[in-house]
Amino acid sequence: GQNIDQPTEMTATEGAIVQINCTYQTSGFNGLFWYQQHAGEAPTFLSYNVLDGLEEKGRFSSFLSRSKGYSYLLLKELQMKDSASYLCAYMDSNYQLIWGAGTKLIIKP
Amino acid sequence: GAVVSQHPSWVICKSGTSVKIECRSLDFQATTMFWYRQFPKQSLMLMATSNEGSKATYEQGVEKDKFLINHASLTLSTLTVTSAHPEDSSFYICSARDISALENQPQHFGDGTRLSIL
Repeated sequence: GQNIDQPTEMTATEGAIVQINCTYQTSGFNGLFWYQQHAGEAPTFLSYNVLDGLEEKGRFSSFLSRSKGYSYLLLKELQMKDSASYLCAYMDSNYQLIWGAGTKLIIKP
Repeated sequence: GAVVSQHPSWVICKSGTSVKIECRSLDFQATTMFWYRQFPKQSLMLMATSNEGSKATYEQGVEKDKFLINHASLTLSTLTVTSAHPEDSSFYICSARDISALENQPQHFGDGTRLSIL
């Protein structure tokens, strides 16, 4: 199967911070993507990392370490509307996206 | 931003029916569109890559005679599920890459089509 892994489910509290990890193994790499998917809807693009380091975009930040095959999505000041699945995907040497199974994030009041 | 329109959003039909799903890029041109299938609580699975003016590239295990793909223009790709059966019931999603964008740029997704075969 595809060598990309992320937790199945996470729970966090409204207003708090949560970090969703993603690990992958690939010989060819053209970037790491994070998408948000609400139930019954298509994914929406959140972030893209191709170089090591942290990319910040409002309440969401994404980090990449290519040497470790590791990325995380950091969500701050959680809101109830952030309850969704978060999909990480890496782009391989053929520019094809390889998707993780998604992390279902549950936000509690 | 780039908009991809997918139609219909929901289909319920009898077993044996053929169903056509359209994917249109509304404000950009796309030489490449992607068709995914997603079963409940599972990841997106790429079915095929649709290339304008040429044959689609199907992933291993996807029957090309059952899932017909036509990409006749730079803004439209269609997926036809022929003789659909209950096991074909799934969420089908298309995405498109802007012709002017680099290959490593994000794909733009349609809203998906939920197909239910009775």
